[in-house]
Amino acid sequence: EAQVTQNPRYLITVTGKKLTVTCSQNMNHEYMSWYRQDPGLGLRQIYYSMNVEVTDKGDVPEGYKVSRKEKRNFPLILESPSPNQTSLYFCASSLYRGKGQPQHFGDGTRLSIL
Amino acid sequence: QQQVKQSPQSLIVQKGGISIINCAYENTAFDYFPWYQQFPGKGPALLIAIRPDVSEKKEGRFTISFNKSAKQFSLHIMDSQPGDSATYFCAASETSGSRLTFGEGTQLTVNP
Repeated sequence: EAQVTQNPRYLITVTGKKLTVTCSQNMNHEYMSWYRQDPGLGLRQIYYSMNVEVTDKGDVPEGYKVSRKEKRNFPLILESPSPNQTSLYFCASSLYRGKGQPQHFGDGTRLSIL
Repeated sequence: QQQVKQSPQSLIVQKGGISIINCAYENTAFDYFPWYQQFPGKGPALLIAIRPDVSEKKEGRFTISFNKSAKQFSLHIMDSQPGDSATYFCAASETSGSRLTFGEGTQLTVNP
């Protein structure tokens, strides 16, 4: 089954404790991205990757890091989480950049930073 | 600032009625306008999309209307059903670009 898998689905942690949210896709997609969803703001892009070892900032990259060492994986790293990063996070992938390619989303990771 | 503005924030419709969600954009370079549907506990899923070379696109009960001069587009759900109850997001991007810019979302409730 074609899917984007995120882990963990839920996480409660404390300020300053490094955490990683993993994302994996099994569709051999080149393009992957991370979004955060906040009430009244919709989804905002954090980082994206057009292929292995190619990443770039989205609209709200502050406080986040990403890496793309393998095509299928695109982890999101919060090195020193703060309460304003409490949000619902989605990873997405598409076959390639642009050309109106539909993005396939994971089921989300709800992070609470205390 | 929000480059894609969506309204209303929430919408309640009776079964069989028409649901209408509106979006407006600012960036004239946008040339791809998808709508995503999101159920609780799930990620958004592509519902229907339109390009600015057409004014309307219909897929089943779902229709996108597009007004390029006004920089507006809307989603119409005909014969709305309780199973349509979800959050709907409009979005926009440049087909050559890497970013999908989303609207704020509309929570649709269809009462039986």
